[in-house]
Amino acid sequence: EIVLTQSPGTLSLSPGERATLSCRASQRVSSGYLAWYQQKPGQAPRLLIYGASNRATGIPDRFSGGGSGTDFTLTISSLEPEDFAVYHCQQYGSSPFTFGPGTKVDIK
Amino acid sequence: QVQLQESGPGLVKPSETLSLTCTVSGSSISGHFWAWIRQPAGKGLEWIGRIYSSGSTNYNPSLKSRVTLSVDTSRNQFSLNLTSVTAADTAVYYCARDLGLLGAFRPWGQGTMVSVSS
Repeated sequence: EIVLTQSPGTLSLSPGERATLSCRASQRVSSGYLAWYQQKPGQAPRLLIYGASNRATGIPDRFSGGGSGTDFTLTISSLEPEDFAVYHCQQYGSSPFTFGPGTKVDIK
Repeated sequence: QVQLQESGPGLVKPSETLSLTCTVSGSSISGHFWAWIRQPAGKGLEWIGRIYSSGSTNYNPSLKSRVTLSVDTSRNQFSLNLTSVTAADTAVYYCARDLGLLGAFRPWGQGTMVSVSS
């Protein structure tokens, strides 16, 4: 099983600042099968990025994903008020598919 | 627009079977993988398993002995059965379409809270 570790656990930033979230895998994630989801309280996760760097339909271009192998990042170039949420990474290239514990981005 | 909706009992007794159904609208269930994921309160997401429209399944080994997924293409639904539940199975249960390399998990249902308690 591929274990995903996310850092930091909590990121306290102000609107307009840049957020950089990390996701590290215990083994290589095959073919970039790495996704990022945003989750707000009481809501289901929403796909932001798939294939490590592809934005899902309707996702603003301030969200970008990168990385390969075992190290991946999600960058939010300039935080909007609606971006304060929990972000989960997921690998879906090797069964069982696994999620990271999440990074909470909160308002400083 | 594809939409998914989970349904089923919100309360299940210990040792009994948790049964949930996910109804898909806006798209045929055929030709896709469909997944179940759960999230205990305040914790992370756990993939339970997935089923292809043909009935082929993949399960999380941690739950494999207790999980059965099934699909009903005539009703555009797929279902989850989890046997011998305990308090540790209390969680919000989500269904989602699994697009694999074409798009990971999207969309997701809104989720349904299931509590295990006597």
